[in-house]
Amino acid sequence: ILNVEQSPQSLHVQEGDSTNFTCSFPSSNFYALHWYRWETAKSPEALFVMTLNGDEKKKGRISATLNTKEGYSYLYIKGSQPEDSATYLCAEPSGTYKYIFGTGTRLKVLA
Amino acid sequence: DAGVIQSPRHEVTEMGQEVTLRCKPISGHDYLFWYRQTMMRGLELLIYFNNNVPIDDSGMPEDRFSAKMPNASFSTLKIQPSEPRDSAVYFCASIKSGTAYEQYFGPGTRLTVT
Repeated sequence: ILNVEQSPQSLHVQEGDSTNFTCSFPSSNFYALHWYRWETAKSPEALFVMTLNGDEKKKGRISATLNTKEGYSYLYIKGSQPEDSATYLCAEPSGTYKYIFGTGTRLKVLA
Repeated sequence: DAGVIQSPRHEVTEMGQEVTLRCKPISGHDYLFWYRQTMMRGLELLIYFNNNVPIDDSGMPEDRFSAKMPNASFSTLKIQPSEPRDSAVYFCASIKSGTAYEQYFGPGTRLTVT
């Protein structure tokens, strides 16, 4: 069983601030790393699927990087907006399809 | 596509009653997952299916829980008898193999056992 850990557990930032948080995972037998955005009372939605060491993906103001050798991924949000408030989850498959989710980083952007 | 469909969205039941949660995956997806979300443990994988066959049910908490997938478009998660500690949000998700493997989640069923 893999341990996927995320930090910080929660985060409050002011509107306009940039922020980042971390997902750590065991680096052996790496297959893929997923990031999801999960708004309250909704279901998780996929943000990024990252597979290659050094991958950097971007979607609007949100971007993510991947380091498979040291076992971490960063998620960055530039110029945070209140609508970015959500829980951000990362997940790594243990085996091809058995996903292990981190406990998430709860982001609150204050207007 | 309508996405992953779950029913009911909310279920309130008394301890000891049988509860059945339902899921319809996205058409063409061949993997289906059942998760439970609690404050203490986050998102836990309970069981997953490939082509209607259960592959890994090691996350099913105990014998009171069972899951079936009689065909490619329908799955159930049953709890019998239910207990207050089963109160949680239960999510269903599906994947089409050979793609980027990102999971598509249903809206969840919020279960309250009193």
